[in-house]
Parts: sequence; C-alpha cells; structure tokens
Amino acid sequence: GQNIDQPTEMTATEGAIVQINCTYQTSGFNGLFWYQQHAGEAPTFLSYNVLDGLEEKGRFSSFLSRSKGYSYLLLKELQMKDSASYLCAVVDSNYQLIWGAGTKLIIKP
Amino acid sequence: IAGITQAPTSQILAAGRRMTLRCTQDMRHNAMYWYRQDLGLGLRLIHYSNTAGTTGKGEVPDGYSVSRANTDDFPLTLASAVPSQTSVYFCASSETGGAGLYGYTFGSGTRLTVV
Repeated sequence: GQNIDQPTEMTATEGAIVQINCTYQTSGFNGLFWYQQHAGEAPTFLSYNVLDGLEEKGRFSSFLSRSKGYSYLLLKELQMKDSASYLCAVVDSNYQLIWGAGTKLIIKP
Repeated sequence: IAGITQAPTSQILAAGRRMTLRCTQDMRHNAMYWYRQDLGLGLRLIHYSNTAGTTGKGEVPDGYSVSRANTDDFPLTLASAVPSQTSVYFCASSETGGAGLYGYTFGSGTRLTVV
C-alpha cells in the first residue's frame, strides 16, 4: 500500500524556526509537493522537489532524500499568519498525487 | 472568474436527496479532480478526468458520479446522500493528467452536511 506520514500537530513560537517532517512509502516516485492550507480555505502550492537536496524560497525551504523516503519543510522567522495545516503529497508511478493527512502548525506569540 | 469556482459554498442536505456540486475552471486545464477532506484523513480522491469526455474512479468513488462534457465543467453528483458523505469537497485541476511542476489548483471548497 501507499503511505505518507506526518505529525498531526506541532506548536512553535513566533520568530522561531520549525521543521515539519514527511516520510513516504509509495509505488514509484515522481516528485513531492508541500501545500499550505489555512482553516476553511483551499490548499495552496508551496514547493516541489524531485531531486535530492534543499530548495529555498524566502522563509520556506523544502528538503528531499529519495533514498530515505523523507522530506521536510523548514519555516524560518515564524509569523502568526503561518498558523495553518501543511500537507505533504507524493507523485506516484501513475503521476497521481498521494496526500498525507497534514500537520497542523500552531504559532504562539 | 479566475481559477476554479465551486458552488455552493455550503449546503445542508437531507439524507436520500440528490445533489450536484458544481465546478468550473477558466484555465483550460485538461485534468480535473474531486476530493473530499475529512478531519484526520487528509484529501481522498473521489473521481478524476484527464481530459474532456473521459472520467476515472479514485480512492473513494462509491455513491458519487461525475461527467466531463467539456473542458471547463466537472460536476459531482450524489445520487442519494447519506450522512457519511458529510465532508468538505474540493475540486482541483492541473494542466495535464499528471501533477506537473506546480501540482494542482484548488477551488475554495463546498462544505456539505447530510442530516
């Protein structure tokens, strides 16, 4: 079967750094996405990794290790508006997205 | 219209009733998808369409049907609603039948409660 694991919930402090991990076992791998979803809203695209390594985009960075079936999303200089759920999704061998259940990130002042 | 429009935004529906959730996109994307999102379960694919005139079943298709008469519209029909279909429904699209470099674009969702 296909499986994507993320922590259910994390708490961090405004201005700090937080790392959200994602591990996956899927039938094939053609890339990994991170999405942000604010409560009551649609998911929005954050990042895409298909090769090993770190992709940096402003305050957000995403890392991939294909050999370990592992990715993380790193959020720096946390702001209150970063309170949201973060969804990890893997592109499988059929080029369809397999979704994790998401990690709810709570930012405290 | 910019992106994907879903209607209605929310609905309370009596069990046994028929309902169609509407989805329209203006990006000329070939592929469209219907997901349901339930707490703790993440997004689950109901049906998809890789191009106009074709549809396929996703992970949880039972009790739902779709049609794709043209590129822009992808309605989802519940023939006889049951309480377990209470969920938030998202329509999404992508340029091709795969996720591409930017994944999917999502509509704002329909919150459906079946009582």
